[in-house]
Amino acid sequence: DAGVIQSPRHEVTEMGQEVTLRCKPISGHDYLFWYRQTMMRGLELLIYFNNNVPIDDSGMPEDRFSAKMPNASFSTLKIQPSEPRDSAVYFCASSQGQNYGYTFGSGTRLTVV
Amino acid sequence: GEDVEQSLFLSVREGDSSVINCTYTDSSSTYLYWYKQEPGAGLQLLTYIFSNMDMKQDQRLTVLLNKKDKHLSLRIADTQTGDSAIYFCAESLDTGRRALTFGSGTRLQVQP
Repeated sequence: DAGVIQSPRHEVTEMGQEVTLRCKPISGHDYLFWYRQTMMRGLELLIYFNNNVPIDDSGMPEDRFSAKMPNASFSTLKIQPSEPRDSAVYFCASSQGQNYGYTFGSGTRLTVV
Repeated sequence: GEDVEQSLFLSVREGDSSVINCTYTDSSSTYLYWYKQEPGAGLQLLTYIFSNMDMKQDQRLTVLLNKKDKHLSLRIADTQTGDSAIYFCAESLDTGRRALTFGSGTRLQVQP
């Protein structure tokens, strides 16, 4: 398996623009997680899905952020409109069942100027 | 509440042992994990321990869990320059909430 695949690896956009981050989890994994990593706040859970259904989105910063999982092999995280404070590395991770940890993607480094 | 704390930085010489420490506050932790993050990469699962265990060894890695003190440690024997990275501990809780809570990470620097 190729692991968790995220795209793009890097994204530079202007403030106010829409940004869409993409994730393909490992086949057969039933949980998918979106995390954000910054120097100031560390790793923050944004949202997670179980069997394509959002379970906990309490970490989503505000209404500008939305996430979808239309099927078991694809998820998106959208920011509209983007702001400079959204600049961070966004990670997607997936897991199968409970208690064996996650497999992380390589992340998307987002810079909003 | 959920709170996982780690020291920020550790420097060791190549060949020495490294010990990275972590404390957590939630007594309902079921599994505790150690992840490694190299520059520009995602987090890689190194090892994990179930909360009813007090030690787990995996090659150069030894995990010690003191559940009474809510203290977790990762010992890396014969530390190599390739071990230089950020190490995160994380816990999962027996509350039905599936997501892991991560510490802030410890940057390990291995000097030749």
